[in-house]
Amino acid sequence: QLHLQESGPGLVKPSETLSLTCSVSGGSFSGTSYYCAWIRQSPGMGLEWIASIHYSGRSYYNSSLKSRVTLSVDTSKNRVSLQLTSVTAADTAVYYCARVSRSGSSRGAFDLWGPGTLVTVSS
Amino acid sequence: IQMPQSPSSLSASVGDTVTITCRTSQSVNTYLNWYQQKPGKAPKLLIYGESYLQSGVPSRFSGSGSGTEFTLTISGLQPEDFATYFCQETYSLPEGTFGQGTTVEIK
Repeated sequence: QLHLQESGPGLVKPSETLSLTCSVSGGSFSGTSYYCAWIRQSPGMGLEWIASIHYSGRSYYNSSLKSRVTLSVDTSKNRVSLQLTSVTAADTAVYYCARVSRSGSSRGAFDLWGPGTLVTVSS
Repeated sequence: IQMPQSPSSLSASVGDTVTITCRTSQSVNTYLNWYQQKPGKAPKLLIYGESYLQSGVPSRFSGSGSGTEFTLTISGLQPEDFATYFCQETYSLPEGTFGQGTTVEIK
Protein backbone atom coordinates (compact mmCIF):
# COMPACT_ATOMS: atom_id res chain seq x y z
CA GLN A 1 0.00 0.00 0.00
CA LEU A 2 1.42 3.34 -1.08
CA HIS A 3 2.40 5.65 1.74
CA LEU A 4 3.58 9.28 1.59
CA GLN A 5 5.62 11.00 4.27
CA GLU A 6 6.72 14.63 4.41
CA SER A 7 9.94 15.64 6.15
CA GLY A 8 12.00 18.77 6.66
CA PRO A 9 12.78 21.58 9.11
CA GLY A 10 9.88 22.78 11.21
CA LEU A 11 11.30 26.28 11.55
CA VAL A 12 12.63 28.52 8.79
CA LYS A 13 13.85 32.08 9.09
CA PRO A 14 12.28 34.87 7.02
CA SER A 15 13.91 35.39 3.61
CA GLU A 16 15.42 31.91 3.68
CA THR A 17 14.48 28.84 1.63
CA LEU A 18 12.00 26.24 2.82
CA SER A 19 13.00 22.72 1.75
CA LEU A 20 10.75 19.69 2.17
CA THR A 21 10.87 16.10 0.97
CA CYS A 22 8.04 13.71 0.22
CA SER A 23 9.17 10.10 0.58
CA VAL A 24 7.12 7.43 -1.15
CA SER A 25 7.04 3.89 0.24
CA GLY A 26 5.09 0.73 -0.51
CA GLY A 27 5.19 1.48 -4.22
CA SER A 28 6.17 4.19 -6.67
CA PHE A 29 4.80 6.82 -9.00
CA SER A 30 7.13 5.52 -11.71
CA GLY A 31 5.30 3.99 -14.65
CA THR A 32 2.01 5.51 -13.61
CA SER A 33 0.11 8.56 -14.78
CA TYR A 34 -0.08 9.95 -11.25
CA TYR A 35 1.60 13.16 -10.18
CA CYS A 36 2.97 14.02 -6.77
CA ALA A 37 1.55 17.30 -5.51
CA TRP A 38 2.30 19.70 -2.69
CA ILE A 39 -0.55 21.44 -0.89
CA ARG A 40 -0.41 23.70 2.13
CA GLN A 41 -2.96 24.73 4.71
CA SER A 42 -2.97 27.76 6.94
CA PRO A 43 -5.73 29.37 9.00
CA GLY A 44 -5.64 32.47 6.83
CA MET A 45 -5.44 30.93 3.36
CA GLY A 46 -7.18 27.59 3.82
CA LEU A 47 -6.06 24.80 1.49
CA GLU A 48 -3.79 25.96 -1.32
CA TRP A 49 -2.30 23.80 -4.06
CA ILE A 50 1.37 24.66 -4.62
CA ALA A 51 2.66 22.48 -7.46
CA SER A 52 2.58 18.98 -8.99
CA ILE A 53 5.25 16.88 -10.69
CA HIS A 54 5.29 13.65 -12.68
CA TYR A 55 8.19 11.27 -12.36
CA SER A 56 9.00 12.09 -15.99
CA GLY A 57 9.79 15.59 -14.75
CA ARG A 58 6.74 17.36 -16.17
CA SER A 59 5.49 19.84 -13.62
CA TYR A 60 2.77 22.41 -12.98
CA TYR A 61 2.85 25.34 -10.60
CA ASN A 62 0.34 27.61 -8.89
CA SER A 63 0.82 30.91 -10.72
CA SER A 64 0.81 32.85 -7.45
CA LEU A 65 3.83 30.91 -6.15
CA LYS A 66 5.57 29.89 -9.36
CA SER A 67 8.41 32.41 -9.12
CA ARG A 68 9.46 31.03 -5.71
CA VAL A 69 8.83 27.28 -6.11
CA THR A 70 11.02 24.49 -7.43
CA LEU A 71 10.02 20.82 -7.56
CA SER A 72 12.36 17.95 -8.27
CA VAL A 73 12.13 14.18 -8.43
CA ASP A 74 14.71 11.61 -7.34
CA THR A 75 13.39 8.41 -8.90
CA SER A 76 16.21 6.29 -7.48
CA LYS A 77 15.21 7.27 -3.94
CA ASN A 78 11.49 7.48 -4.72
CA ARG A 79 11.07 10.97 -3.39
CA VAL A 80 9.98 14.44 -4.45
CA SER A 81 11.47 17.65 -3.10
CA LEU A 82 9.93 21.09 -2.72
CA GLN A 83 11.85 24.32 -2.37
CA LEU A 84 10.14 27.62 -1.60
CA THR A 85 12.42 30.65 -1.62
CA SER A 86 12.25 34.01 0.15
CA VAL A 87 9.75 32.86 2.74
CA THR A 88 7.74 35.19 4.95
CA ALA A 89 5.38 34.63 7.85
CA ALA A 90 2.61 34.17 5.27
CA ASP A 91 4.27 30.89 4.28
CA THR A 92 3.71 29.42 7.73
CA ALA A 93 1.46 26.42 7.17
CA VAL A 94 1.06 22.68 7.32
CA TYR A 95 2.56 21.29 4.12
CA TYR A 96 1.19 18.09 2.61
CA CYS A 97 2.28 15.94 -0.28
CA ALA A 98 -0.42 14.02 -2.09
CA ARG A 99 -1.06 11.85 -5.11
CA VAL A 100 -3.11 13.34 -7.92
CA SER A 101 -4.45 12.13 -11.22
CA ARG A 102 -4.56 14.54 -14.14
CA SER A 103 -7.07 12.72 -16.33
CA GLY A 104 -10.59 11.35 -16.30
CA SER A 105 -13.34 11.97 -13.80
CA SER A 106 -10.83 12.11 -10.96
CA ARG A 107 -8.77 14.82 -12.66
CA GLY A 108 -7.19 16.98 -9.99
CA ALA A 109 -8.48 14.93 -7.08
CA PHE A 110 -5.94 14.27 -4.35
CA ASP A 111 -6.68 10.67 -3.42
CA LEU A 112 -3.75 9.86 -1.15
CA TRP A 113 -2.14 12.27 1.34
CA GLY A 114 0.84 12.29 3.65
CA PRO A 115 0.20 13.22 7.30
CA GLY A 116 1.60 16.72 6.76
CA THR A 117 4.38 18.70 8.39
CA LEU A 118 4.09 22.08 10.10
CA VAL A 119 6.53 24.72 8.93
CA THR A 120 6.79 27.95 10.87
CA VAL A 121 8.53 30.99 9.43
CA SER A 122 10.00 33.02 12.24
CA SER A 123 13.28 34.58 13.29
CA ILE B 1 -13.13 30.68 -10.00
CA GLN B 2 -14.76 31.77 -6.73
CA MET B 3 -16.11 29.00 -4.52
CA PRO B 4 -18.18 30.02 -1.53
CA GLN B 5 -19.19 27.12 0.63
CA SER B 6 -22.27 27.23 2.82
CA PRO B 7 -22.81 27.10 5.63
CA SER B 8 -19.42 27.75 7.22
CA SER B 9 -20.53 25.59 10.13
CA LEU B 10 -23.58 23.65 11.24
CA SER B 11 -24.75 21.68 14.23
CA ALA B 12 -26.39 18.31 13.80
CA SER B 13 -27.24 15.16 15.71
CA VAL B 14 -26.32 11.56 15.07
CA GLY B 15 -28.77 10.15 12.56
CA ASP B 16 -29.52 13.48 10.88
CA THR B 17 -29.23 14.05 7.16
CA VAL B 18 -26.81 16.89 6.49
CA THR B 19 -26.43 18.90 3.29
CA ILE B 20 -23.43 21.08 2.45
CA THR B 21 -23.42 23.34 -0.61
CA CYS B 22 -20.62 24.63 -2.78
CA ARG B 23 -21.30 27.19 -5.50
CA THR B 24 -18.88 28.15 -8.25
CA SER B 25 -18.75 31.52 -10.01
CA GLN B 26 -18.76 29.77 -13.38
CA SER B 27 -19.56 26.29 -14.64
CA VAL B 28 -17.02 23.64 -13.68
CA ASN B 29 -18.86 20.86 -15.50
CA THR B 30 -18.59 17.88 -13.14
CA TYR B 31 -15.05 18.62 -11.98
CA LEU B 32 -15.94 18.97 -8.32
CA ASN B 33 -14.50 16.96 -5.44
CA TRP B 34 -15.30 16.72 -1.73
CA TYR B 35 -12.93 16.06 1.17
CA GLN B 36 -13.32 15.36 4.86
CA GLN B 37 -10.76 16.59 7.37
CA LYS B 38 -10.53 15.82 11.07
CA PRO B 39 -8.43 17.90 13.48
CA GLY B 40 -4.71 17.26 13.10
CA LYS B 41 -5.20 14.98 10.11
CA ALA B 42 -4.81 15.33 6.37
CA PRO B 43 -7.90 15.75 4.22
CA LYS B 44 -9.48 12.57 2.89
CA LEU B 45 -11.09 12.34 -0.55
CA LEU B 46 -14.78 11.39 -0.32
CA ILE B 47 -16.32 12.23 -3.68
CA TYR B 48 -14.73 12.98 -7.05
CA GLY B 49 -16.19 14.00 -10.39
CA GLU B 50 -19.25 15.48 -8.62
CA SER B 51 -20.82 12.14 -7.66
CA TYR B 52 -18.32 9.28 -7.74
CA LEU B 53 -17.73 7.72 -4.34
CA GLN B 54 -14.05 7.19 -3.56
CA SER B 55 -13.14 3.59 -2.78
CA GLY B 56 -13.69 2.72 0.87
CA VAL B 57 -15.97 5.66 1.62
CA PRO B 58 -19.32 4.73 3.23
CA SER B 59 -22.38 4.94 0.99
CA ARG B 60 -24.08 7.42 3.35
CA PHE B 61 -21.95 10.05 1.59
CA SER B 62 -23.23 11.22 -1.77
CA GLY B 63 -22.60 14.10 -4.14
CA SER B 64 -24.71 15.85 -6.73
CA GLY B 65 -24.58 19.01 -8.78
CA SER B 66 -25.63 21.12 -11.71
CA GLY B 67 -22.59 22.86 -13.17
CA THR B 68 -22.38 25.71 -10.65
CA GLU B 69 -24.09 24.39 -7.54
CA PHE B 70 -22.95 21.23 -5.82
CA THR B 71 -24.14 19.36 -2.78
CA LEU B 72 -22.56 16.89 -0.42
CA THR B 73 -25.16 14.89 1.49
CA ILE B 74 -24.50 12.75 4.55
CA SER B 75 -27.49 10.49 5.13
CA GLY B 76 -27.61 9.28 8.70
CA LEU B 77 -24.80 11.19 10.37
CA GLN B 78 -22.45 8.99 12.38
CA PRO B 79 -20.22 10.06 15.32
CA GLU B 80 -17.12 9.75 13.13
CA ASP B 81 -18.58 12.18 10.57
CA PHE B 82 -18.13 15.25 12.76
CA ALA B 83 -15.38 17.01 10.83
CA THR B 84 -14.70 19.80 8.34
CA TYR B 85 -15.69 19.28 4.72
CA PHE B 86 -14.06 21.01 1.75
CA CYS B 87 -15.05 21.21 -1.89
CA GLN B 88 -12.49 21.56 -4.69
CA GLU B 89 -13.08 22.46 -8.31
CA THR B 90 -10.62 21.07 -10.82
CA TYR B 91 -12.07 22.62 -13.97
CA SER B 92 -9.56 25.44 -13.81
CA LEU B 93 -6.38 23.46 -14.23
CA PRO B 94 -3.80 22.68 -13.17
CA GLU B 95 -5.33 21.67 -9.87
CA GLY B 96 -8.15 24.10 -9.24
CA THR B 97 -9.31 25.80 -6.08
CA PHE B 98 -10.56 24.68 -2.68
CA GLY B 99 -13.57 26.05 -0.85
CA GLN B 100 -13.17 27.47 2.65
CA GLY B 101 -14.76 24.52 4.40
CA THR B 102 -17.87 23.63 6.40
CA THR B 103 -17.49 22.35 9.95
CA VAL B 104 -20.09 19.84 11.10
CA GLU B 105 -20.41 19.99 14.88
CA ILE B 106 -22.33 17.94 17.39
CA LYS B 107 -25.61 19.52 18.46
